[in-house]
Amino acid sequence: AQSVTQLDSQVPVFEEAPVELRCNYSSSVSVYLFWYVQYPNQGLQLLLKYLSGSTLVESINGFEAEFNKSQTSFHLRKPSVHISDTAEYFCAVSDGVSGGYNKLIFGAGTRLAVHP
Amino acid sequence: NAGVTQTPKFRVLKTGQSMTLLCAQDMNHEYMYWYRQDPGMGLRLIHYSVGEGTTAKGEVPDGYNVSRLKKQNFLLGLESAAPSQTSVYFCASSYASGGAASTDTQYFGPGTRLTVL
Repeated sequence: AQSVTQLDSQVPVFEEAPVELRCNYSSSVSVYLFWYVQYPNQGLQLLLKYLSGSTLVESINGFEAEFNKSQTSFHLRKPSVHISDTAEYFCAVSDGVSGGYNKLIFGAGTRLAVHP
Repeated sequence: NAGVTQTPKFRVLKTGQSMTLLCAQDMNHEYMYWYRQDPGMGLRLIHYSVGEGTTAKGEVPDGYNVSRLKKQNFLLGLESAAPSQTSVYFCASSYASGGAASTDTQYFGPGTRLTVL
Protein backbone atom coordinates (compact mmCIF):
# COMPACT_ATOMS: atom_id res chain seq x y z
CA ALA A 1 0.00 0.00 0.00
CA GLN A 2 1.10 3.50 -0.71
CA SER A 3 2.07 5.85 2.07
CA VAL A 4 3.41 9.37 2.34
CA THR A 5 5.65 10.62 5.12
CA GLN A 6 6.21 14.30 5.74
CA LEU A 7 9.14 14.37 8.04
CA ASP A 8 8.44 17.69 9.74
CA SER A 9 5.10 18.64 11.26
CA GLN A 10 6.15 22.27 11.72
CA VAL A 11 8.85 24.39 10.11
CA PRO A 12 9.47 27.88 11.49
CA VAL A 13 11.58 30.16 9.32
CA PHE A 14 12.41 33.84 9.02
CA GLU A 15 11.28 35.90 6.06
CA GLU A 16 13.66 35.78 3.08
CA ALA A 17 15.35 32.60 4.35
CA PRO A 18 15.37 29.40 2.29
CA VAL A 19 13.13 26.50 3.23
CA GLU A 20 12.83 22.80 2.43
CA LEU A 21 9.76 20.73 3.28
CA ARG A 22 10.51 17.03 3.11
CA CYS A 23 8.32 14.32 1.65
CA ASN A 24 9.00 10.62 1.19
CA TYR A 25 6.65 8.08 -0.31
CA SER A 26 6.44 4.34 -0.61
CA SER A 27 5.12 2.72 -3.73
CA SER A 28 6.07 -0.21 -5.84
CA VAL A 29 4.63 1.20 -9.06
CA SER A 30 4.99 4.35 -11.07
CA VAL A 31 3.67 7.33 -9.21
CA TYR A 32 2.39 10.82 -9.68
CA LEU A 33 3.36 13.31 -6.99
CA PHE A 34 1.66 16.47 -5.81
CA TRP A 35 2.12 19.32 -3.38
CA TYR A 36 -1.03 21.04 -2.20
CA VAL A 37 -1.12 24.17 -0.05
CA GLN A 38 -3.79 25.15 2.47
CA TYR A 39 -3.88 28.78 3.54
CA PRO A 40 -5.60 29.55 6.85
CA ASN A 41 -9.34 28.85 6.80
CA GLN A 42 -9.31 27.78 3.17
CA GLY A 43 -9.46 24.59 1.17
CA LEU A 44 -6.46 22.96 -0.44
CA GLN A 45 -5.13 24.15 -3.77
CA LEU A 46 -2.57 22.59 -6.06
CA LEU A 47 0.92 24.05 -5.80
CA LEU A 48 2.73 21.80 -8.27
CA LYS A 49 2.79 18.24 -9.53
CA TYR A 50 5.14 15.74 -11.10
CA LEU A 51 3.69 13.47 -13.75
CA SER A 52 6.62 12.58 -16.01
CA GLY A 53 9.59 14.11 -17.78
CA SER A 54 11.86 16.57 -16.01
CA THR A 55 12.30 15.63 -12.38
CA LEU A 56 12.33 19.29 -11.34
CA VAL A 57 8.94 21.00 -11.31
CA GLU A 58 8.19 24.59 -10.47
CA SER A 59 5.22 26.62 -9.29
CA ILE A 60 4.33 30.15 -10.32
CA ASN A 61 5.14 31.56 -6.87
CA GLY A 62 8.76 30.40 -6.65
CA PHE A 63 8.44 26.93 -5.11
CA GLU A 64 10.09 23.94 -6.73
CA ALA A 65 10.16 20.22 -6.03
CA GLU A 66 12.43 17.49 -7.28
CA PHE A 67 11.36 13.93 -7.88
CA ASN A 68 14.08 11.53 -6.74
CA LYS A 69 13.13 7.99 -7.63
CA SER A 70 16.10 6.30 -5.96
CA GLN A 71 15.37 8.03 -2.66
CA THR A 72 11.58 7.95 -3.14
CA SER A 73 11.41 11.62 -2.25
CA PHE A 74 9.68 14.74 -3.51
CA HIS A 75 10.99 17.56 -1.36
CA LEU A 76 9.61 21.09 -1.74
CA ARG A 77 11.97 24.06 -1.70
CA LYS A 78 11.92 27.81 -1.95
CA PRO A 79 15.07 29.95 -1.92
CA SER A 80 13.47 32.94 -0.19
CA VAL A 81 10.13 32.78 1.64
CA HIS A 82 7.60 35.54 2.27
CA ILE A 83 5.16 36.08 5.10
CA SER A 84 2.41 35.17 2.66
CA ASP A 85 3.83 31.64 2.31
CA THR A 86 2.63 30.84 5.83
CA ALA A 87 0.33 27.87 5.31
CA GLU A 88 0.08 24.12 5.67
CA TYR A 89 1.64 22.08 2.89
CA PHE A 90 0.53 18.59 1.96
CA CYS A 91 2.45 16.09 -0.11
CA ALA A 92 0.30 13.55 -1.94
CA VAL A 93 0.86 10.55 -4.18
CA SER A 94 -1.30 8.65 -6.59
CA ASP A 95 -0.39 5.71 -8.72
CA GLY A 96 -1.05 4.89 -12.32
CA VAL A 97 -3.23 1.89 -11.59
CA SER A 98 -5.81 3.32 -9.25
CA GLY A 99 -8.79 1.85 -11.07
CA GLY A 100 -9.75 4.91 -13.07
CA TYR A 101 -10.14 7.49 -10.35
CA ASN A 102 -7.72 9.97 -8.89
CA LYS A 103 -7.17 8.45 -5.50
CA LEU A 104 -4.70 10.58 -3.62
CA ILE A 105 -2.83 9.50 -0.51
CA PHE A 106 -1.95 12.54 1.57
CA GLY A 107 0.80 13.06 4.06
CA ALA A 108 0.02 14.47 7.49
CA GLY A 109 1.04 17.98 6.44
CA THR A 110 3.81 20.43 7.32
CA ARG A 111 2.91 23.75 8.86
CA LEU A 112 5.22 26.46 7.52
CA ALA A 113 5.36 29.53 9.72
CA VAL A 114 7.25 32.50 8.27
CA HIS A 115 8.29 35.09 10.82
CA PRO A 116 9.35 38.70 10.12
CA ASN B 1 -17.49 30.79 -11.66
CA ALA B 2 -17.73 29.78 -7.99
CA GLY B 3 -15.65 26.59 -8.26
CA VAL B 4 -16.47 24.17 -5.44
CA THR B 5 -18.82 25.34 -2.71
CA GLN B 6 -19.83 23.61 0.51
CA THR B 7 -22.83 24.08 2.76
CA PRO B 8 -22.85 24.64 5.72
CA LYS B 9 -19.52 26.13 6.83
CA PHE B 10 -19.97 25.17 10.48
CA ARG B 11 -22.27 22.81 12.34
CA VAL B 12 -22.59 21.46 15.88
CA LEU B 13 -24.50 18.22 16.38
CA LYS B 14 -25.42 16.11 19.34
CA THR B 15 -24.56 12.43 19.34
CA GLY B 16 -27.17 10.50 17.37
CA GLN B 17 -28.38 13.41 15.26
CA SER B 18 -28.27 13.27 11.49
CA MET B 19 -27.24 15.81 8.90
CA THR B 20 -26.33 16.24 5.26
CA LEU B 21 -23.40 18.18 3.87
CA LEU B 22 -23.85 19.60 0.40
CA CYS B 23 -21.11 20.05 -2.17
CA ALA B 24 -21.66 21.80 -5.47
CA GLN B 25 -19.28 22.42 -8.38
CA ASP B 26 -19.81 24.47 -11.53
CA MET B 27 -16.82 23.20 -13.53
CA ASN B 28 -18.63 20.26 -15.14
CA HIS B 29 -16.26 17.82 -13.44
CA GLU B 30 -16.99 14.12 -13.62
CA TYR B 31 -15.24 13.09 -10.41
CA MET B 32 -16.15 14.26 -6.94
CA TYR B 33 -14.73 13.33 -3.54
CA TRP B 34 -15.39 13.71 0.17
CA TYR B 35 -12.44 13.87 2.57
CA ARG B 36 -12.09 14.41 6.26
CA GLN B 37 -9.14 16.27 7.77
CA ASP B 38 -7.98 15.50 11.27
CA PRO B 39 -4.96 16.96 13.06
CA GLY B 40 -1.75 15.10 12.30
CA MET B 41 -3.46 12.77 9.83
CA GLY B 42 -3.74 14.72 6.62
CA LEU B 43 -6.79 14.12 4.47
CA ARG B 44 -8.52 10.77 4.24
CA LEU B 45 -10.94 9.82 1.50
CA ILE B 46 -14.45 8.94 2.73
CA HIS B 47 -16.38 8.33 -0.50
CA TYR B 48 -16.02 9.33 -4.11
CA SER B 49 -18.00 9.41 -7.33
CA VAL B 50 -16.84 8.94 -10.90
CA GLY B 51 -20.05 10.22 -12.43
CA GLU B 52 -23.71 11.04 -11.94
CA GLY B 53 -25.52 8.20 -10.22
CA THR B 54 -22.36 6.38 -9.14
CA THR B 55 -20.60 6.32 -5.77
CA ALA B 56 -17.88 4.22 -4.19
CA LYS B 57 -16.20 3.77 -0.81
CA GLY B 58 -12.92 5.35 0.03
CA GLU B 59 -10.55 4.77 2.91
CA VAL B 60 -12.86 5.61 5.84
CA PRO B 61 -16.49 5.13 4.71
CA ASP B 62 -18.06 3.77 7.91
CA GLY B 63 -20.80 5.96 9.36
CA TYR B 64 -21.26 7.98 6.16
CA ASN B 65 -23.45 7.71 3.08
CA VAL B 66 -23.33 9.68 -0.16
CA SER B 67 -25.45 10.41 -3.20
CA ARG B 68 -24.74 11.93 -6.60
CA LEU B 69 -28.15 12.44 -8.17
CA LYS B 70 -26.96 15.40 -10.24
CA LYS B 71 -23.54 15.79 -11.81
CA GLN B 72 -22.86 19.07 -10.08
CA ASN B 73 -23.84 17.96 -6.57
CA PHE B 74 -22.37 15.45 -4.14
CA LEU B 75 -24.05 14.95 -0.78
CA LEU B 76 -22.49 13.47 2.34
CA GLY B 77 -24.84 12.14 5.01
CA LEU B 78 -24.30 11.24 8.62
CA GLU B 79 -27.22 9.11 9.79
CA SER B 80 -26.29 8.96 13.48
CA ALA B 81 -23.45 11.28 14.36
CA ALA B 82 -20.73 10.20 16.77
CA PRO B 83 -18.02 12.27 18.51
CA SER B 84 -15.41 10.44 16.38
CA GLN B 85 -16.90 12.21 13.37
CA THR B 86 -15.84 15.61 14.69
CA SER B 87 -13.63 16.83 11.88
CA VAL B 88 -13.25 19.25 9.00
CA TYR B 89 -14.85 17.90 5.85
CA PHE B 90 -13.64 18.83 2.38
CA CYS B 91 -15.26 18.20 -0.93
CA ALA B 92 -13.21 18.14 -4.11
CA SER B 93 -13.79 17.60 -7.80
CA SER B 94 -11.70 16.87 -10.87
CA TYR B 95 -11.88 16.24 -14.56
CA ALA B 96 -11.70 12.71 -15.87
CA SER B 97 -9.07 13.14 -18.54
CA GLY B 98 -9.18 9.59 -19.75
CA GLY B 99 -6.79 6.76 -18.99
CA ALA B 100 -4.56 8.75 -16.67
CA ALA B 101 -7.18 9.92 -14.23
CA SER B 102 -4.59 9.87 -11.46
CA THR B 103 -2.90 12.92 -12.95
CA ASP B 104 -5.85 15.27 -12.65
CA THR B 105 -5.74 18.22 -10.31
CA GLN B 106 -8.38 18.15 -7.60
CA TYR B 107 -10.20 21.38 -6.77
CA PHE B 108 -11.25 21.73 -3.16
CA GLY B 109 -14.08 23.54 -1.46
CA PRO B 110 -13.54 25.72 1.63
CA GLY B 111 -14.53 22.99 4.09
CA THR B 112 -17.21 22.32 6.71
CA ARG B 113 -16.20 22.26 10.35
CA LEU B 114 -18.36 19.72 12.19
CA THR B 115 -18.41 19.20 15.93
CA VAL B 116 -20.31 16.30 17.46
CA LEU B 117 -20.95 16.61 21.18
